[in-house]
Amino acid sequence: EAGVTQSPTHLIKTRGQQATLRCSPISGHTSVYWYQQALGLGLQFLLWYDEGEERNRGNFPPRFSGRQFPNYSSELNVNALELEDSALYLCASSSQTASYEQYFGPGTRLTVT
Amino acid sequence: KNEVEQSPQNLTAQEGEFITINCSYSVGISALHWLQQHPGGGIVSLFMLSSGKKKHGRLIATINIQEKHSSLHITASHPRDSAVYICAVSDFGNEKLTFGTGTRLTIIP
Repeated sequence: EAGVTQSPTHLIKTRGQQATLRCSPISGHTSVYWYQQALGLGLQFLLWYDEGEERNRGNFPPRFSGRQFPNYSSELNVNALELEDSALYLCASSSQTASYEQYFGPGTRLTVT
Repeated sequence: KNEVEQSPQNLTAQEGEFITINCSYSVGISALHWLQQHPGGGIVSLFMLSSGKKKHGRLIATINIQEKHSSLHITASHPRDSAVYICAVSDFGNEKLTFGTGTRLTIIP
C-alpha cells in the first residue's frame, strides 16, 4: 500500500510569490492535515480537511489556504510569500476506520529568498 | 506554559542503554502520539495510545491519563535509534495534533 505522497520535494520561491504544495493521502483516508516545521521551531498545525471541507485551522494568516479534492488529495497554497515561510511542510492523512492515527508524508521543503 | 512538554531536550547514551523520554500535557486529549523524525525531516508514527501500554519491538510507550504523563522507552538502544522523538496530543473532536518540542536522541556505538 502506497503511503502519503507530497510534491514537490523542494520548492524555491522569491518573496511575494505564491507557492502550491500537493499531498496525496493513503488510499481510503478521508482526512488530510497540514503542518509547518520552521527551522529551529517545532511542528505547528496549519489546516485539517475532511471529506472535502476545512474542519480546523491553526493560528496562521489567511494567506495560508488550501483545499481538498473529491479524490481526497489536497493542496496547500501560500500567497505573498515571506522569508519566514521557509520551512518543511508536512502532510498527514488519517481515517476514522484507522482511529485517526496520522500517517505522515515526506514533506516539502519550501525556501523563500 | 506549553500544552505539551517533553524531557529531556537532548539525550546522549551508549549503545545498549535503556532510554526513557518523558512527555507531560496539560489539556484533555483523545490520544497521545509518539513520532520519530530522522535527519531529512521524514516523520514516522511510532505509537498512538489513549490508555495503558503498547509495545513494538524494542519500543514501549506508556500513558497515565490521571497524571497526564506518558513515557517512551527504548530497550537495548542502537545507533540507528538516533533521531528526534516527538510527543503529540490530539484533541477531542478535531484530531489536530499539538506537538512537544522533541527530544534529540544520540546513541553512541
